[in-house]
Amino acid sequence: DVKVTQSSRYLVKRTGEKVFLECVQDMDHENMFWYRQDPGLGLRLIYFSYDVKMKEKGDIPEGYSVSREKKERFSLILESASTNQTSMYLCARRWTGANTGELFFGEGSRLTVL
Amino acid sequence: QQQVKQSPQSLIVQKGGISIINCAYENTAFDYFPWYQQFPGKGPALLIAIRPDVSEKKEGRFTISFNKSAKQFSLHIMDSQPGDSATYFCAASSGAGSYQLTFGKGTKLSVIP
Repeated sequence: DVKVTQSSRYLVKRTGEKVFLECVQDMDHENMFWYRQDPGLGLRLIYFSYDVKMKEKGDIPEGYSVSREKKERFSLILESASTNQTSMYLCARRWTGANTGELFFGEGSRLTVL
Repeated sequence: QQQVKQSPQSLIVQKGGISIINCAYENTAFDYFPWYQQFPGKGPALLIAIRPDVSEKKEGRFTISFNKSAKQFSLHIMDSQPGDSATYFCAASSGAGSYQLTFGKGTKLSVIP
C-alpha cells in the first residue's frame, strides 16, 4: 500500500511559536504537496516540490515555508504561528511518471494555534 | 484565477436514493477531472476520474457525467448507502505532468437509513 505519513496528527501551539509539520512518503516519487483544508473552502495548495531542494509556491504560501532535503521527506514550516493558521494540513505525493493528476494523501495534521 | 465551482455544499439522501454533485469549471485547458472521497479523520482518496474525450465513466455505483460544451461535470452515486457518507471533492488539472490540481470546495454527503 502507498503510504504518506504525517508524523503529528494533532498539535496545539501558541501564537508566535515555530511549527514544523513533517511528511514522509515510502515511494521514490518526486512530486510532493502541502494543502490546507478548511470547512467551506476546500483544499488550497500552500507549496509543492518536484524534486529535492526544489519548491514552488501554491495559492496561499504567505506565512509558510517548506524544506525538502531528501526525496522522501517534505516539511511545512510556520515561522511564527498565528491563530488564522489553525487548520487541517494535508500532505500528498504524486508519481511524476503518471499520466494523471492522482494524488495520494496522508491522514492530515490538525493544528490549533492558541 | 482558475476555479472549480462545486454544489451543493451539503446533501442529505435516503438510503437507496441517487446522490448528485455538480461541478463547473472555467479553464478550457483542463483535461483531467477526478473526484476525491474523504471520510472523517482520513485524507482524501481518489474515487473516480474522467478525461474530456468521453462523456461518461462508470465504476460500480459511481458515475461521472461530463459535458464539455457546458464546462460541467457531475458525480452520480446510485443506490446510495450509509457507508457513502463522506465529503466529496471535485478537481481539475491541465496538461500531462501538471503538478497542480484545482479543487472544488467540497460536498458533505449524508446518507440516512
